[in-house]
Amino acid sequence: NAGVTQTPKFQVLKTGQSMTLQCAQDMNHEYMSWYRQDPGMGLRLIHYSVGAGITDQGEVPNGYNVSRSTTEDFPLRLLSAAPSQTSVYFCASSYSMGATSTDTQYFGPGTRLTVL
Amino acid sequence: GQQLNQSPQSMFIQEGEDVSMNCTSSSIFNTWLWYKQDPGEGPVLLIALYKAGELTSNGRLTAQFGITRKDSFLNISASIPSDVGIYFCAGRIQGAQKLVFGQGTRLTINP
Repeated sequence: NAGVTQTPKFQVLKTGQSMTLQCAQDMNHEYMSWYRQDPGMGLRLIHYSVGAGITDQGEVPNGYNVSRSTTEDFPLRLLSAAPSQTSVYFCASSYSMGATSTDTQYFGPGTRLTVL
Repeated sequence: GQQLNQSPQSMFIQEGEDVSMNCTSSSIFNTWLWYKQDPGEGPVLLIALYKAGELTSNGRLTAQFGITRKDSFLNISASIPSDVGIYFCAGRIQGAQKLVFGQGTRLTINP
């Protein structure tokens, strides 16, 4: 049981490049989400998914796309990278979200992205 | 925007001291979670709280779900060097399908 895994661990992009951050979980969790962490800002929600085929926007969705074709995977796509997207990105999952005691989220190790 | 106020933002203490931090909001929460983040790692769950008034311990850590459902507290007793890190509160507002996070408390321990 690997929990939540993320790849790559580090990435450097040039402005305008696109890339996909990978996230996978093997806990059969329905709910998955992406956060970005910036100094002094805590964790801010980018996008989330309550199950395969269903996604929704979080607090800071601009410049990012997601899809959820399987329960296990929830990739985050940067369409045209900008320096403002330099951040640490965390993927997290939980059994569900909205029912007490099943909404505890478990985090991956993060992807550290630098956009030049 | 940010809906949780976490304080203090940072703490500098001596090894062996007790630590207290808290999170407050103007909204009613159904769930409170406390996480710890070590440098270069993802947040790790410490304690989960699901009922108003609930008091839960995990070793030297104790957290409480406030009776108003608008706040939560985390206490660490007899701090040790490995307690260093950033502590985050998080919660799910009643009816919401997402967590909101506090800005974190950075704990530094002088040996």
